[in-house]
Amino acid sequence: DGGITQSPKYLFRKEGQNVTLSCEQNLNHDAMYWYRQDPGQGLRLIYYSQIVNDFQKGDIAEGYSVSREKKESFPLTVTSAQKNPTAFYLCASSAGTALWQYFGPGTRLTVT
Amino acid sequence: AQSVTQLDSQVPVFEEAPVELRCNYSSSVSVYLFWYVQYPNQGLQLLLKYLSGSTLVESINGFEAEFNKSQTSFHLRKPSVHISDTAEYFCAVMGMNTGFQKLVFGTGTRLLVSP
Repeated sequence: DGGITQSPKYLFRKEGQNVTLSCEQNLNHDAMYWYRQDPGQGLRLIYYSQIVNDFQKGDIAEGYSVSREKKESFPLTVTSAQKNPTAFYLCASSAGTALWQYFGPGTRLTVT
Repeated sequence: AQSVTQLDSQVPVFEEAPVELRCNYSSSVSVYLFWYVQYPNQGLQLLLKYLSGSTLVESINGFEAEFNKSQTSFHLRKPSVHISDTAEYFCAVMGMNTGFQKLVFGTGTRLLVSP
């Protein structure tokens, strides 16, 4: 089955620690995205990548970093510089010619 | 730039009743429109989309949405809801400009269907 996997589903970290969220897709999509979801705020774009070895900042990139070394993978690192890291993180991908995005199941990060 | 307004944060409804979830957008260019559904603790699933052509679009599970350009709306409707329709629904818009266009989401409407 083609799709997007995000692991783990739940992640707990202590304040001050960096943490990396995994996102893998086997849809052969060129573009990948990371969103953050907070209650009552919808989804906000963190980073996106339209092609391997290239990525761009979204609306709320501060405190986050990404890499895109392989087409299938787009990991997100939440650094200690992110002031409010507790949130639900969603990864998505889209084909080059398609306008809509497919979403993974999400990772809920809790930082205490 | 685009923006999306979903005025209703929560819509309670009884099973088998009709429902309308409202979505209005703002954009200086023509847009593509989407509705996504999110079940608890899951990712988003594309419910339906308007790209061009007929302004009325339908999903396989009985939802429909109508693009109204003059009112800049894309309301989602279902004539008879089921308990299983309980979820959060997000309206999203993308501009038709050239180059990368991001998907802009509304804040979501939680549909609560009770027996």
